[in-house]
Amino acid sequence: QVQLVQSGAEVKKPGASVKVSCKASGYTFINYFIQWVRQAPGQGLEWMGIINPGSGTTTYAQKFQGRVTLTRDTSTTTVYMELNSLRSEDTAVYYCAKDLQSLDPWGQGTLVTVSS
Amino acid sequence: QSALTQPRSVSGSPGQSVTISCTGTSSDVGAYKYVSWYQQHPGKAPKLMIYDVTKRPSGVPDRFSGSKSGNTASLTISGLQAEDEADYYCCSYAGGYTWVFGGGTKLTVL
Repeated sequence: QVQLVQSGAEVKKPGASVKVSCKASGYTFINYFIQWVRQAPGQGLEWMGIINPGSGTTTYAQKFQGRVTLTRDTSTTTVYMELNSLRSEDTAVYYCAKDLQSLDPWGQGTLVTVSS
Repeated sequence: QSALTQPRSVSGSPGQSVTISCTGTSSDVGAYKYVSWYQQHPGKAPKLMIYDVTKRPSGVPDRFSGSKSGNTASLTISGLQAEDEADYYCCSYAGGYTWVFGGGTKLTVL
């Protein structure tokens, strides 16, 4: 079945970087976009960016421009989200999700905690 | 990119119908037929309920329906059931391969 499995929880200090992975299975990896969405504790969903695994082309939300990088490894059908210059406000659950106008399925989420 | 506007909470009794609105602008909701809705239970990942304004993925009950008029999209849940109690988020394409979510609506089944 179609599945996205994310890497485990991370604890980082302010100013550090984090790289979260999202391994896809059950479908042709290069044919479907992957998007990243985050959710701070008790808050709503926030769109971060999108990658075309076939071409590697990316688009980022203006808020995260210059701080987030999406990459993919077609040999392992894995997409990565790297967020730099972490601050406490980046503490959130980060989700990857498949496709363009219909995000389905979603990964299980990765909690990133930023704390000194 | 400003978040789409949703009511913070709605409620209804079992068997009743509720509608959740999602207001954007002529640059997102009003411009494209790419509005989707997601249900999220506490501690769980969101689940796709409606896409392309009105389409339901297989497995989603037909009690869930979507519509759009101008810059406002709506999700209607008829025949409310206890398991429908959750947070609901709308999402719209905003052009240039960017997307925007609503702030979320907490549905309480009384």
